[in-house]
Amino acid sequence: AQSVTQPDIHITVSEGASLELRCNYSYGATPYLFWYVQSPGQGLQLLLKYFSGDTLVQGIKGFEAEFKRSQSSFNLRKPSVHWSDAAEYFCAASNAGNNRKLIWGLGTSLAVNP
Amino acid sequence: GAGVSQSPSNKVTEKGKDVELRCDPISGHTALYWYRQSLGQGLEFLIYFQGNSAPDKSGLPSDRFSAERTGGSVSTLTIQRTQQEDSAVYLCASSAENTDTQYFGPGTRLTVL
Repeated sequence: AQSVTQPDIHITVSEGASLELRCNYSYGATPYLFWYVQSPGQGLQLLLKYFSGDTLVQGIKGFEAEFKRSQSSFNLRKPSVHWSDAAEYFCAASNAGNNRKLIWGLGTSLAVNP
Repeated sequence: GAGVSQSPSNKVTEKGKDVELRCDPISGHTALYWYRQSLGQGLEFLIYFQGNSAPDKSGLPSDRFSAERTGGSVSTLTIQRTQQEDSAVYLCASSAENTDTQYFGPGTRLTVL
């Protein structure tokens, strides 16, 4: 069955520190991969996505993610975290084709210490 | 332009009552998705519409759940005989044809007492 795993339920980092959020997927073929962020009281916002090509993708808010086929991973990174980055982060995957329903990881809650 | 809107934003109902949740997608978006976000279960796909048809209903948890879409636009998710385990945030998303980005609405928080 298709699945997305985010191994870390909760992460705390200090402001200015680097960040890496892990995501692993299990799919029959390489899926499309996404990272979304959900801030308290806010809707889901797309940070970045990967379909093919360059395995390092850049997103909004200074985030990037690297696709590693050999590890079935799509980890999200940011060099220097800001207090406003505190939020819930979701990794998701979909197939190609008309039906792009998203299969989601359970999310990683990020706290940022001043 | 206007994003995806959902109504109501909050709904409190008693066990056994029926509820209707509405989604207004971005104008011109042909694909529409419903998801559910609940504690312990995370985000789950419910149903996918392409135009007015629903080729994928595989995520609907029981026959108490149904959805329709009219005019290729507004969609309504109906839950009959609500149960406490139906309490969740119901999210709607839409996307343009042959594109990959889904735009999410703010969700409807459903509480079943």
